[in-house]
Formats: sequence, structure tokens, C-alpha cells
Amino acid sequence: GDSVTQTEGPVTVSESESLIINCTYSATSIAYPNLFWYVRYPGEGLQLLLKVITAGQKGSSRGFEATYNKETTSFHLQKASVQESDSAVYYCALGSNSGTYQRFGTGTKLQVVP
Amino acid sequence: EAAVTQSPRNKVAVTGGKVTLSCNQTNNHNNMYWYRQDTGHGLRLIHYSYGAGSTEKGDIPDGYKASRPSQENFSLILELATPSQTSVYFCASGDAYRPNSDYTFGSGTRLLVI
Repeated sequence: GDSVTQTEGPVTVSESESLIINCTYSATSIAYPNLFWYVRYPGEGLQLLLKVITAGQKGSSRGFEATYNKETTSFHLQKASVQESDSAVYYCALGSNSGTYQRFGTGTKLQVVP
Repeated sequence: EAAVTQSPRNKVAVTGGKVTLSCNQTNNHNNMYWYRQDTGHGLRLIHYSYGAGSTEKGDIPDGYKASRPSQENFSLILELATPSQTSVYFCASGDAYRPNSDYTFGSGTRLLVI
């Protein structure tokens, strides 16, 4: 089936250090997957961080970036230097051009410490 | 500003009681979704809707009903609440005419069934 697997949390990173949260997907019923990263800050709903709908392309936002790799079926989230304000839960999600509902990973809680 | 509003924010219910979670969107989106968030499971789809009068089963519909009386409103109904339904519930809306677009999420409803 269609599914998303991402890094188990919580992940603790020191401020100004680099971050990578792994995401891999399985899209057995989706011909052209769309990939998303959402972020959920405490007390808020999920909001889009970045998305990529074309294989081989990179998305970026707020210093985060992720590349859609069709060969490895991966969409890892990276940031070169994290800040305390990046502390949140990050969700990788899989969608499709046909509008099949999005499937989400388990979420990765990130805590950035001073 | 377009938004998704959920009510209540927090709810305590007794086992066997009826619970209704409400969701209102001002995005004029056709599609709406109910997910639940549990540790280790990520967001799992319960029910969704393509428009007023439509409800569809998601991946985990057992024990839940949904109602979409209008474009703006989508409710999730637990006729006989059980402790296993203790969770955080998220409502989302999506643009049916832009299937690769992101969802807009509400802030969540935290439900405790005792």
C-alpha cells in the first residue's frame, strides 16, 4: 500500500547544529507522488513547510530543504543550522495528482536546545 | 483569512456517551478530512468528504460517523465513545481543483474518554 516512514522521535539537536529528518515513502497505487513536509508548533495545527510535486526537484522554506528522490523513494528534510524556534513536530506526507488523500508519517518531534 | 476552526478544543467524555466534534472552514474547499493523531501512528484518516452531503470512509472508520451538512461544516460523531478513542483529532480542508495542493488544518481537538 501507500505509506510514509520517517525518523522516530524525539530528536534533540543543539542550536546552530545541522539537522536531518529521514522520510521514505511507498507509493504502490500512486503514479505521480507529491511529497510534503508539514510542521506543527505547540498548540497549533499542522501547516505546510514545503512541498515538491516533481521527482528530482528540491523544495525549500525557512532554511529547510528537501529533495524528491524517486530512485531511493526518499524526501529527507535538512537544515544547516537550527534555531530554538524550530522546535516542533515535523510530518512527512504523500499525496497524488489524482487527489487521493494525503498519507502522513508518524511525525518527528524536534527539540532544539541552547 | 481562510481558516479551519475546530470545536471544542478539549473534551472529556464518559465511556458509552455520544461525542460530536465540529469543524468549520472558510476556504471554500470541497474536500474535508478528519484525522486522529496518536503516538507511534502519526495522522490516520478516519473519514473524508468531497462536498456537502458526501462522506467517505478513510483508513480507520470503525466507531466513527461523519456528517457534512454544508460546504463549510464537517462533523465527526462518536456514538458510543470508548477509551481507545482518546486522541487528538485534526480536521483539514483541501482544494479538489488543485489536488497537489497542501491541506489547511485546524488546531486540533484533544479528546479524553474516561
